[in-house]
Amino acid sequence: GEDVEQSLFLSVREGDSSVINCTYTDSSSTYLYWYKQEPGAGLQLLTYIFSNMDMKQDQRLTVLLNKKDKHLSLRIADTQTGDSAIYFCAESQSGAGSYQLTFGKGTKLSVIP
Amino acid sequence: GAVVSQHPSRVICKSGTSVKIECRSLDFQATTMFWYRQFPKQSLMLMATSNEGSKATYEQGVEKDKFLINHASLTLSTLTVTSAHPEDSSFYICSASRQPNQPQHFGDGTRLSIL
Repeated sequence: GEDVEQSLFLSVREGDSSVINCTYTDSSSTYLYWYKQEPGAGLQLLTYIFSNMDMKQDQRLTVLLNKKDKHLSLRIADTQTGDSAIYFCAESQSGAGSYQLTFGKGTKLSVIP
Repeated sequence: GAVVSQHPSRVICKSGTSVKIECRSLDFQATTMFWYRQFPKQSLMLMATSNEGSKATYEQGVEKDKFLINHASLTLSTLTVTSAHPEDSSFYICSASRQPNQPQHFGDGTRLSIL
């Protein structure tokens, strides 16, 4: 079955880089996603990567995918207090054509001013 | 961007009431919408997948008679929690995607509190 694992907490100082890690078990994953959730809000899609890519960069965000090790990371450069939130890693497969998402439990990022 | 609007954002009602939650894709047509439930400090649990014009597919353990889903148009899906009880209190979030293989975009969620 599918399983997505993340560390639960990460604390960084403002201005430093944050690296949030995620591992998954399903080798047939098609897309891998990072979502951000602020308190009391829904999920905001930050970025996603197709399984045949190794790296994707979008402004302060860099996603690295090691398909061999089934490891995904999200790097946030110059972390700001507004980046404090819970970050969910998710994977999807094309089984049954529905592309359902399997989420990790989320990593709570705390940014220290 | 892809905007998904969810209403209401918060509902407080008495036990036995039925509550309807709307999920709208504002700037795109969504062939597929998803309904999730999130418990405090937990990840999202998929309840059902809703395809426009067809019956929703419910996940194991989710009562289809309890959680009625209607996806009557390409921009609107509704979740009705029938005869809600305190154990149904939770954060419900919908998402929508243009096509099954496209990213899901989420609404802001509905906090349901049953007294």
